[in-house]
Amino acid sequence: NAGVTQTPKFQVLKTGQSMTLQCAQDMNHEYMSWYRQDPGMGLRLIHYSVGAGITDQGEVPNGYNVSRSTTEDFPLRLLSAAPSQTSVYFCASSYGAGGETQYFGPGTRLLVL
Amino acid sequence: GEDVEQSLFLSVREGDSSVINCTYTDSSSTYLYWYKQEPGAGLQLLTYIFSNMDMKQDQRLTVLLNKKDKHLSLRIADTQTGDSAIYFCAEPNSGGSNYKLTFGKGTLLTVNP
Repeated sequence: NAGVTQTPKFQVLKTGQSMTLQCAQDMNHEYMSWYRQDPGMGLRLIHYSVGAGITDQGEVPNGYNVSRSTTEDFPLRLLSAAPSQTSVYFCASSYGAGGETQYFGPGTRLLVL
Repeated sequence: GEDVEQSLFLSVREGDSSVINCTYTDSSSTYLYWYKQEPGAGLQLLTYIFSNMDMKQDQRLTVLLNKKDKHLSLRIADTQTGDSAIYFCAEPNSGGSNYKLTFGKGTLLTVNP
């Protein structure tokens, strides 16, 4: 298994541009989440999904959209990038909702100029 | 809402024990988690503890839970240079859901030879 994969690893955008961060997992996990990590802030939940076709907002959803058309993929869309969205983005997935392991991807580092 | 607090830095000598402390707010959390992040990498689940336990031991790791004080600690015995990383405490946003986590800001553990 490849686990959780994220592309791209690094991206530079100009203010106002849009882009999609890709996340895929090959473990048949129902639960997937997107977090952003900022210096001194820890990780904050952006959006999450409990299965194909079901998504919901986390703590900091503004400026981001998600969809979950398949179990494997959970893309994160930035509609109109802003410098405040400069961050490292992590995707995570898990099989169950309890103590089961949540697997994290390697992250996408995004710089918005 | 949930809030997780950790000290930001800890420095120890190789071979000593490390203790990383965390306080949380949601008394209904069924699980509490410790994650490790090495430089440039994603997060790796180290261990978790179920809320009806006071202690959990896993090789060099010992987790202590004080539900009355909402205090969680991670002890690493015989700390090695390879343990140098950021350690995050996390609790579920609601109940036991491990796909909606609130993270502390992370404790940077530095192990000196």
